[in-house]
This record gives sequence, C-alpha cells and structure tokens, in this order.
Amino acid sequence: NAGVTQTPKFQVLKTGQSMTLQCAQDMNHEYMSWYRQDPGMGLRLIHYSVGAGITDQGEVPNGYNVSRSTTEDFPLRLLSAAPSQTSVYFCASSYSNPGQGYRQETQYFGPGTRLLVL
Amino acid sequence: KQEVTQIPAALSVPEGENLVLNCSFTDSAIYNLQWFRQDPGKGLTSLLLIQSSQREQTSGRLNASLDKSSGRSTLYIAASQPGDSATYLCAVPNSGNTPLVFGKGTRLSVIA
Repeated sequence: NAGVTQTPKFQVLKTGQSMTLQCAQDMNHEYMSWYRQDPGMGLRLIHYSVGAGITDQGEVPNGYNVSRSTTEDFPLRLLSAAPSQTSVYFCASSYSNPGQGYRQETQYFGPGTRLLVL
Repeated sequence: KQEVTQIPAALSVPEGENLVLNCSFTDSAIYNLQWFRQDPGKGLTSLLLIQSSQREQTSGRLNASLDKSSGRSTLYIAASQPGDSATYLCAVPNSGNTPLVFGKGTRLSVIA
C-alpha cells in the first residue's frame, strides 16, 4: 500500500492564481480530511469527507473548495490564492468502524504540500 | 467546542531519561484519543490510539494512559534516545464522529 499520497510536494503561486492540491489513499478509508499547519497555530481542519459524495466544512474553510467523487481521491482547490494561505497542507484518511457506530480509527497522514503564495 | 492543550511546549532531556508528556482536553465525551509523532518537514505518524474504554495502551517504549473523566492523557517514553527527538501531538474528536482536534504539540529534544 502507498498509504496517503499528496502532490505536489512544493508549490509557489502568485496572489490570485488558483490550483488544486491532490490527495489519494489506497486503503479504502471512508474518512478523509484536509488540515493546514502554521507556526504557533497547530493543525487546523479545512474540510473533511465521511464518504464519496459527502463533504463538510472544518474550522477554516474560507477560500478552499473540496469534492469527493471517489473513495480514493479528495482534492483541495484554492480558488484565488492569497498570501494568508501560505502554509503546509496535510491530507489524512481513516477507517470508520461499522461495529463501533462508524467511529474513526487510526488516522494516516500524507507527507504534506508546502505552499508559498507571493 | 473541543480544545486540546499540551504541556510542556518544549522539553529537552539527556539520553536515557524517562519522560512524560501531558495532554488535556475540555470535552470528556470522546471515544478515543490518538498520539502522533511529527519529524521536522514531515507528515504525522500515528503512535498510539486509546479507546475510551481503555486506560492504557503500550507500544515498545511508549505507554499512553487515558483518564477520560478528568480530561487528561499522558505519553510516557522510557529510556529516551536521540532518535525520539520530534514533536509529539495528541488529538481527539471534536464531537461525535467528526475529525480530530489537535493540540499544538510538545517539541522533544533528547541530547546524546
């Protein structure tokens, strides 16, 4: 298993540009999430999905869009990049246990995408 | 809203020392708690997951405990090594079955 993969590893954008951060997992996990990590702020949830076709907002969703057309993929779109979106972005996935009320189990993280917006 | 606090923010110890990292959370209605490790410039790696029905979970030199009623968890690292140097984060669900809320982590340095 490749686990959770993210592309690109590093990206530089100009203010106003748009781009898509890719995330894929090969573990057949229902749950997928996007976090951003900033110094002093810790990890903050952007968007998450509990299954194909279902997404919801997290703590800091403004300026980002997501969709989940397949179980494997969960791309994050930046609509019009701003310097405040300079950050490290992590995608994560986890199994939800049907025998335990679909509770999330161990969460697996991708290696991250470093984004610099000028 | 769930809030997670980790103390201390940073810790430096000599090699071989046993140490304890602390995590507290405000909403005790959790079904599990996870401890992660993050090396500089890398993603997070899950170390231990404790279910709410458990009090302890062990993996090698790591032992995590959970006191749900008091909203606390500890990560005990025995016989620390320089390779243990990393940031350690704990995380719990926000409410019900939602994604995790993370503490800001404890940055550990083990000096040879």
